Amino acid sequence: AQTVTQSQPEMSVQEAETVTLSCTYDTSESDYYLFWYKQPPSRQMILVIRQEAYKQQNATENRFSVNFQKAAKSFSLKISDSQLGDAAMYFCAYIDGNQFYFGTGTSLTVIP
Amino acid sequence: DAGVTQSPTHLIKTRGQQVTLRCSPKSGHDTVSWYQQALGQGPQFIFQYYEEEERQRGNFPDRFSGHQFPNYSSELNVNALLLGDSALYLCASSNRGEEETQYFGPGTRLLVL
Repeated sequence: AQTVTQSQPEMSVQEAETVTLSCTYDTSESDYYLFWYKQPPSRQMILVIRQEAYKQQNATENRFSVNFQKAAKSFSLKISDSQLGDAAMYFCAYIDGNQFYFGTGTSLTVIP
Repeated sequence: DAGVTQSPTHLIKTRGQQVTLRCSPKSGHDTVSWYQQALGQGPQFIFQYYEEEERQRGNFPDRFSGHQFPNYSSELNVNALLLGDSALYLCASSNRGEEETQYFGPGTRLLVL
């Protein structure tokens, strides 16, 4: 069964510092997509970054980057120069065919 | 370009009642997926609709049913509500074959008393 594990229920970071959120997943597929979504208190799920498994290069979107280690089935999110607006729940997700599988989330607090 | 919209934003029901939640997909999208997000958990896939038919279903009982209309909008129906059905219900839209690009709506918060 496909599973996504986020082992850090809560994380905190000082404003302007860097934080890394961890995620591991389990799949027997060779080609798939991985995602990080942000869910602020407004509840809307916002796509932060996406990684295609067949691409060796780690995805980057401005201050957000991933460390994708396919063999280890690890997909961590690094947030650089953290801002107050980054405070939210962060969900790691994997897609298998038509269906998303989400982790349980990491609550990120940004300390001014 | 309107994104995914959902109605209502909040809803309170009592055990045993029935509820209908609505979703309008992002313009140009033809596929709608529904998710249940319990408090403190990640979203769980309920089912997906394409061409007015249920194409894939997660591990949810038959009390959860849906419908997709010709304009691609969708409804989620839950019968015989249980206290455990209290959750945020999220709708996501995409194009068939491009499910890796899903856009989520703001959700409907359902409270069952």
